[in-house]
Amino acid sequence: GEDVEQSLFLSVREGDSSVINCTYTDSSSTYLYWYKQEPGAGLQLLTYIFSNMDMKQDQRLTVLLNKKDKHLSLRIADTQTGDSAIYFCAEKGANFGNEKLTFGTGTRLTIIP
Amino acid sequence: GAGVSQSPSNKVTEKGKDVELRCDPISGHTALYWYRQRLGQGLEFLIYFQGNSAPDKSGLPSDRFSAERTGESVSTLTIQRTQQEDSAVYLCASSPDRGLGEQFFGPGTRLTVL
Repeated sequence: GEDVEQSLFLSVREGDSSVINCTYTDSSSTYLYWYKQEPGAGLQLLTYIFSNMDMKQDQRLTVLLNKKDKHLSLRIADTQTGDSAIYFCAEKGANFGNEKLTFGTGTRLTIIP
Repeated sequence: GAGVSQSPSNKVTEKGKDVELRCDPISGHTALYWYRQRLGQGLEFLIYFQGNSAPDKSGLPSDRFSAERTGESVSTLTIQRTQQEDSAVYLCASSPDRGLGEQFFGPGTRLTVL
């Protein structure tokens, strides 16, 4: 079955770039997503990338996809205290009717002042 | 417009009791999903509805878990004879269609089984 893995913790100084990594196993994944979860709040979709893309940039966020290695990363430029949260990588398969998302365990990003 | 809402926000119950968790999706969203998030873990898929039908129930962990959706709107997740391992945050999401299938999540119901 599908599996998505992430490291559990990342600490970054305010103003530096944060890079959160994710690996997945389903080579037929169609869409890959990054969600943000702040304490006491639901998941917020940050960005997504279609599997035939290598890179997507959206303001401070850059997503890189290495399909050969099944590796996805999220770079947050100029990290701010408001970026403190848990970041989840998720993938959606290509099979018809397979609408569920498979999530990683989440990476807790801590900002050091 | 209103987002996905869930009720109750918190539920504490005794082992062996039944609980019902409610999800109100975004109006007009045809797809609805239930996930479970145990402490410190990622989300586990439970069940997916397209309209009022559930084409994928593969994530329901046991026959104590069931869900229904009516009027292509509200959904109820029922857990019978709750066990301590059922303690988790139960998240509901809705999506307007297939394809990109961006899923919009509710705030979740935190279930604690004593």
